Amino acid sequence: DIQMTQSPSSLSASVGDRVIITCQASQSINKYLNWYQQKQGKAPKLLIYDASNLETGVPSRFSGSGYGTDFTFTISSLQPEDIATYYCQQYDNLPYTFGQGTKLEIK
Amino acid sequence: EVQLVQSGAEVKKPGESLKISCKGSGYSFTNYWIAWVRQMPGKGLEWMGIIYPGDSDTRYSPSFQGQVTFSVDKSNSNAHLQWSSLKASDTAMYYCARHEEPWAGGKGIDYWGQGTLVTVSS
Repeated sequence: DIQMTQSPSSLSASVGDRVIITCQASQSINKYLNWYQQKQGKAPKLLIYDASNLETGVPSRFSGSGYGTDFTFTISSLQPEDIATYYCQQYDNLPYTFGQGTKLEIK
Repeated sequence: EVQLVQSGAEVKKPGESLKISCKGSGYSFTNYWIAWVRQMPGKGLEWMGIIYPGDSDTRYSPSFQGQVTFSVDKSNSNAHLQWSSLKASDTAMYYCARHEEPWAGGKGIDYWGQGTLVTVSS
C-alpha cells in the first residue's frame, strides 16, 4: 500500500494567515492526489483534484500543487469558516489511501 | 444534482449481521464506481474499497477484505455494505462516495453521502 504522510497533524493560525499543509507519498502517484475538507459532524468535501485543479464552486483562496511524491495544499488567506480537518488522498494505485489528516484551528 | 443518500443510523449487538445502503441519483449510477470509507470515532478516513455498479467489479482494501461485502442493486440505484458478524471494533461512521478512475477522465471521489453511523455494543 502507498503511505500518505501529511504534515502537520494539527495547526493553529490567525484569520488572514497563509496556511500550508504538505502530503508526501511513499512512491510516485503522478498527479493523482485529492484534497478534502471535513467540517465537524459533516461528510468530507472535495476541494482540489489532480493535485492542482480547483473543484467547481470552491473559493480561489484554496490551491494545490505538486507531482510525483510531494504535494502542497495552501489557503492563501485563512477565513473563520475554514476551521476543519483536511485530508489528502491518492488514487493512482489501489488501495486508494488517505493521509492521516490535518486539524486546522483558528488562533 | 448528484446525490448519495445513505440509510439511517444502526445500533447492533456483537455477532449480528447488518446491511446498510447508499442510493445514488442525479447521474448515471452504473457508470461511476461507489467507494466506501470508514471513519472510526475521533479518527481519520480509511478507504475500504470500491464497486462498479455496471458489472459489480469489486476491489477491496486488504485491510477490509473478508471483513465486509459490497453489493449493488442496479434496478433501484442502491449500493450496499454488509457485515455477517459485527464486532465492537466495527463501530464507526461509514460513508459512500462516487468515484471515477483517472484513466476514464475522472477525479477520484467527488461526491459523498451523508454517512451512516454504526454502533456495535452489547
